[in-house]
Amino acid sequence: ETGVTQSPTHLIKTRGQQVTLRCSSQSGHNTVSWYQQALGQGPQFIFQYYREEENGRGNFPPRFSGLQFPNYSSELNVNALELDDSALYLCASSSDAGANTGELFFGEGSRLTVL
Amino acid sequence: QKEVEQNSGPLSVPEGAIASLNCTYSDRGSQSFFWYRQYSGKSPELIMFIYSNGDKEDGRFTAQLNKASQYVSLLIRDSQPSDSATYLCAVNFGGSQGNLIFGKGTKLSVKP
Repeated sequence: ETGVTQSPTHLIKTRGQQVTLRCSSQSGHNTVSWYQQALGQGPQFIFQYYREEENGRGNFPPRFSGLQFPNYSSELNVNALELDDSALYLCASSSDAGANTGELFFGEGSRLTVL
Repeated sequence: QKEVEQNSGPLSVPEGAIASLNCTYSDRGSQSFFWYRQYSGKSPELIMFIYSNGDKEDGRFTAQLNKASQYVSLLIRDSQPSDSATYLCAVNFGGSQGNLIFGKGTKLSVKP
């Protein structure tokens, strides 16, 4: 158990809809990163939030957006869902030191299916 | 393009043997290197990290880093059936903080 919790664990949406995924970080961690993991692939970095500001972004379109709240929990929002957005979405938290080096602690993920 | 390459496997070893997992990466400026284990249907969990050339040992696990060859490996001694999982190599290329580039993973199967 990493102490990182995500919700919902599973959800099904249709193409064009919008989705919000939520993450509570491990106690003492102020940095949250979001990753997308398609079936049979490694996780791909979406973006990172540090003290409520976006602090780095991967190669994902603007319809992927996020928020971090004062308690360091976070949301990932995806608009205009496409079939290829079907994946496991992973939230990972880290401390200041961990964020600089990449020591991430993952939640169990939210599995999104887009029909 | 920063890339991390792994043999997808499956790698099958008998119980008690040494499992050797390999990873290459594209950027000589890479700073830190990680091995994550992912059981089927579960999220990745960090098992080892290494920053400096050479070996780093933690229990049955040894990570080896050769920056000149852009190569990192993970050895698992006395492999157990519970080690059966996908092992993900991840590299921090020094870009956005905490931005890890993951390989596709190597599936390891330890046969009793």
